[in-house]
Amino acid sequence: EPEVTQTPSHQVTQMGQEVILRCVPISNHLYFYWYRQILGQKVEFLVSFYNNEISEKSEIFDDQFSVERPDGSNFTLKIRSTKLEDSAMYFCASSELLGQLYGYTFGSGTRLTVV
Amino acid sequence: SQKIEQNSEALNIQEGKTATLTCNYTNYSPAYLQWYRQDPGRGPVFLLLIRENEKEKRKERLKVTFDTTLKQSLFHITASQPADSATYLCAAKYTGRRALTFGSGTRLQVQP
Repeated sequence: EPEVTQTPSHQVTQMGQEVILRCVPISNHLYFYWYRQILGQKVEFLVSFYNNEISEKSEIFDDQFSVERPDGSNFTLKIRSTKLEDSAMYFCASSELLGQLYGYTFGSGTRLTVV
Repeated sequence: SQKIEQNSEALNIQEGKTATLTCNYTNYSPAYLQWYRQDPGRGPVFLLLIRENEKEKRKERLKVTFDTTLKQSLFHITASQPADSATYLCAAKYTGRRALTFGSGTRLQVQP
C-alpha cells in the first residue's frame, strides 16, 4: 500500500534555530498538506499546497513557516526561527483529489522538540 | 468559526459489543465528514467518509451516519475487538476550503 514518508521521525532543536521537515507524498497525489498536533491536543491544519503554490493556510502558518516542493517528489516544511511552542508532532498528508473519495493519507509524523 | 466536537474523551466497552462514537458540528454543515483512527505516536489513518447528502455508509464492521438536522455524525464499530482500541478522530471538510477541521478524538478501549 502506498505511504507518505516523513523524515526525520524525531528532531530536537534549539530555540531560534531553523528546521526543515521532509515528506515524500504518494506519487500520483496532487494535493499536499501539513498538519500539527501538540501533545494531548487536536490535529490542526497548517497549510495546503497544490500546483506548486499554497492554496490555503491557517493563522498558525505565519511568516516563520514556509513550504516548498523542490523536486517532483519531496515536500518540505521549514520553520525559520523555532520557538518553544512549535514543539509538536508534524504530519504531512496527501490526497488525490480534495480527499472526497479516499480521504487523506497521513505520514507517521516528525516529533519536533524545541529546547 | 466552525467547531467539531467529540463529546466523549474515552469509551470503554467489552469485546464483541458495538462501539458508538459521536461527532457534533456547529453552524453550517460540512460538505463531508471523515473518520480516522490514530494510534499513539502515529499519524491518522483514514477509515470512512460520508457526504452531507448521504445518510449512512458502511465498510466491513464500520458504519457512519450523518444527520444534518441534529448536526451530528455517529461512528459505529460492530463486533468490537481489542485490536480496535485506539483514538478515533472526526474531521470535517467545508465547501471552498482545503483544510480539515478535526475534533479532539475519542479514545476507545475494548476489553477482552
